[in-house]
Amino acid sequence: AQSVSQHNHHVILSEAASLELGCNYSYGGTVNLFWYVQYPGQHLQLLLKYFSGDPLVKGIKGFEAEFIKSKFSFNLRKPSVQWSDTAEYFCAVTPRGTGRRALTFGSGTRLQVQP
Amino acid sequence: DGGITQSPKYLFRKEGQNVTLSCEQNLNHDAMYWYRQDPGQGLRLIYYSQIVNDFQKGDIAEGYSVSREKKESFPLTVTSAQKNPTAFYLCASSIDLKGPQPQHFGDGTRLSIL
Repeated sequence: AQSVSQHNHHVILSEAASLELGCNYSYGGTVNLFWYVQYPGQHLQLLLKYFSGDPLVKGIKGFEAEFIKSKFSFNLRKPSVQWSDTAEYFCAVTPRGTGRRALTFGSGTRLQVQP
Repeated sequence: DGGITQSPKYLFRKEGQNVTLSCEQNLNHDAMYWYRQDPGQGLRLIYYSQIVNDFQKGDIAEGYSVSREKKESFPLTVTSAQKNPTAFYLCASSIDLKGPQPQHFGDGTRLSIL
């Protein structure tokens, strides 16, 4: 079975600081990778996804993530955060080639951006 | 607007009582999912359904039941066998094309014990 680890549980940054949130997964085969974001009072929404091809993927609102296969990692980055980025961020995977479409989530990282 | 509607937003359960959480989608998605969200644990899969009249257990199905009689509806029943039901419940759906598709989520139902 697959699992996902997000080691940063709570991150506090000032506006304009750079962001990197860690995500590591454990699975013996290939995976599809996702980052979801949950803004306060809103539903979970897709930030970006990686299925294949260029390991550097760009998402909405200036976010990007890099898949490093050798490290089983899919870290989320943003060069300069804004107060509106305050939210909870979840990394998720689905195994490829198994027919399973349900997501396995990490425990989430709560990001607080101070003005 | 297309989307997923979960109701009610807040629900309270008494001891020994079954409660049903509603999930409706008008996205014409084939697959639907139920997740449970607990603080510090992320989301865990309870049940999922890839087609009408068929559903599969997820990672934490004990104490829960579902039905999928219509494409747009996937209600979740939290039975009295679920000893720790207090959590935030999220319903999701995805179009079931070949290959992975992102999931769309509802606003959730928060269930508490009286």
